[in-house]
Amino acid sequence: EDKVVQSPLSLVVHEGDTVTLNCSYEVTNFRSLLWYKQEKKAPTFLFMLTSSGIEKKSGRLSSILDKKELFSILNITATQTGDSAVYLCAVPLSGAGSYQLTFGKGTKLSVIP
Amino acid sequence: EAQVTQNPRYLITVTGKKLTVTCSQNMNHEYMSWYRQDPGLGLRQIYYSMNVEVTDKGDVPEGYKVSRKEKRNFPLILESPSPNQTSLYFCASGTTAWVTEAFFGQGTRLTVV
Repeated sequence: EDKVVQSPLSLVVHEGDTVTLNCSYEVTNFRSLLWYKQEKKAPTFLFMLTSSGIEKKSGRLSSILDKKELFSILNITATQTGDSAVYLCAVPLSGAGSYQLTFGKGTKLSVIP
Repeated sequence: EAQVTQNPRYLITVTGKKLTVTCSQNMNHEYMSWYRQDPGLGLRQIYYSMNVEVTDKGDVPEGYKVSRKEKRNFPLILESPSPNQTSLYFCASGTTAWVTEAFFGQGTRLTVV
């Protein structure tokens, strides 16, 4: 049973478009939600959202967290071909005093000129 | 420079020949973890460690072993590799309960023939 679900799985847009990527989660004792960008190699960190901060912004990227509805969105405005990547969200899951970090399957974004 | 170092980056081996993939971090992180990434399945956690001498199974631990004798090192051991363990492997480290970003190694592409 998936605890972190991302949608859509794949998305193709034209340069200049705005995209919204979704991540829903189901955890007890929520601590944080992490967004990553993965191009050809290792995931690189974008944002962390916690219970005390529900919105983050960096340039054309922004992310919000809805703690009531248990989801987060990642917005990318004025997309560029360099934004083409797989975007991953991850949530620490609690259990027996430890915290697994579980990832969604990712959203593959393709930006075409 | 803060980093997670994995070795080797690429490995081709034969079925049944024991191998070890090393992972080392220089950030004094408590948490370390191994993931495998397969097309359509995303990043799946193999094992994780909350601190020295403390390890726990992730979602796909079968066929793998780990140890955490020192805080900085977390090797992944495949005692008898099989072709279904052909995958891209990532090591990651982070602070307590993953409430800050997880740092990833550059990945190890393993092929078992």
